[in-house]
Amino acid sequence: EAGVAQSPRYKIIEKRQSVAFWCNPISGHATLYWYQQILGQGPKLLIQFQNNGVVDDSQLPKDRFSAERLKGVDSTLKIQPAKLEDSAVYLCASSLDHRPAGYTFGSGTRLTVV
Amino acid sequence: DQQVKQNSPSLSVQEGRISILNCDYTNSMFDYFLWYKKYPAEGPTFLISISSIKDKNEDGRFTVFLNKSAKHLSLHIVPSQPGDSAVYFCAAGGFGNEKLTFGTGTRLTIIP
Repeated sequence: EAGVAQSPRYKIIEKRQSVAFWCNPISGHATLYWYQQILGQGPKLLIQFQNNGVVDDSQLPKDRFSAERLKGVDSTLKIQPAKLEDSAVYLCASSLDHRPAGYTFGSGTRLTVV
Repeated sequence: DQQVKQNSPSLSVQEGRISILNCDYTNSMFDYFLWYKKYPAEGPTFLISISSIKDKNEDGRFTVFLNKSAKHLSLHIVPSQPGDSAVYFCAAGGFGNEKLTFGTGTRLTIIP
């Protein structure tokens, strides 16, 4: 079974620039998550999709972050404009059902904003 | 508000000995708890879980203990091996809600 694919692996941008991350979940996984992990902290949920609908985006800074999951498969997370405090690893995860143990994480995208 | 806390940022243990990682939580609505393991440059991988109706779950060298009254759980690794060196995250959630709340992680180093 192929894992959760994320790209790019690393990205360095200047503040106020825009950036986009891509995630391809495991085939058949209906639920997709984006987590932000700041250095020294645990992952924090940004947004959860069920198929192509948003289930929870309560912690997504909507003034600068946006995410979409067209056709209920791939997903993109965008930051526009980026701030220094957005430097973090952005993790995508997917799950087949409602059991949290079913999460599979991708390797993440490490974003550095300078 | 840190609902899941791992108060030890790091832990060093001799190979072959027991590693004990601790986690505390504040939200009484949590009823499902998990441990994830993370190597550098990789995403977290699921290790072991426990539901609130149990106080112990065992899987090979890994055992998770849950003390609901104290809102505390711990992960025991026996015997510890060099490949266990990683960052361990405690996470909590509720049944029917896949959203997980993570702790800040504990970096475990196994000394050969």
